[in-house]
Amino acid sequence: EAQVTQNPRYLITVTGKKLTVTCSQNMNHEYMSWYRQDPGLGLRQIYYSMNVEVTDKGDVPEGYKVSRKEKRNFPLILESPSPNQTSLYFCASGGMGTQYFGPGTRLTVL
Amino acid sequence: GQNIDQPTEMTATEGAIVQINCTYQTSGFNGLFWYQQHAGEAPTFLSYNVLDGLEEKGRFSSFLSRSKGYSYLLLKELQMKDSASYLCAVRDSKKDSNYQLIWGAGTKLIIKP
Repeated sequence: EAQVTQNPRYLITVTGKKLTVTCSQNMNHEYMSWYRQDPGLGLRQIYYSMNVEVTDKGDVPEGYKVSRKEKRNFPLILESPSPNQTSLYFCASGGMGTQYFGPGTRLTVL
Repeated sequence: GQNIDQPTEMTATEGAIVQINCTYQTSGFNGLFWYQQHAGEAPTFLSYNVLDGLEEKGRFSSFLSRSKGYSYLLLKELQMKDSASYLCAVRDSKKDSNYQLIWGAGTKLIIKP
């Protein structure tokens, strides 16, 4: 089954404690992306990747890092999380047509 | 600048028809997408328009006018399960990546019995 998976689905953490949210896709897509979604603001892109070892900043990259060492995986790293990073995070992959989204990770930073 | 506008919330009655509008201003245009998102879930693809006109897919249709920077999503024979947010997104041909989308904030559709 074609899908995008994310882990964990829910995470409560404390300020400053490094965390990684994993994302994996099995559709052999070159393009992958991370978004955060906050009430009233819609989806905002954090980082995207056009292919292995190629990543670029989206609209809200501050406080985040990504890596793309393999085509299928695109982890999101928060080196020192802060409360303003409390949000719903989505990973997506896609071709020229549609984007396929993972189920989301709800992150709370205390 | 780049901007996508949609109504924040709409209410409609089960069995009726509703039209959700989207207007956009982008430096370039290479397609408009509609996604459906149920609360707390991932967005899922509904439709894609790149040429002017109406695209029909079952109970859902999407219309595009590039000259007016305008699209709408038409939902017919509304069902309770259609209660969701509907996201409009535009692919801007002037952006670095042909895959990147500019997203509207979404329209929350409430269906009443």
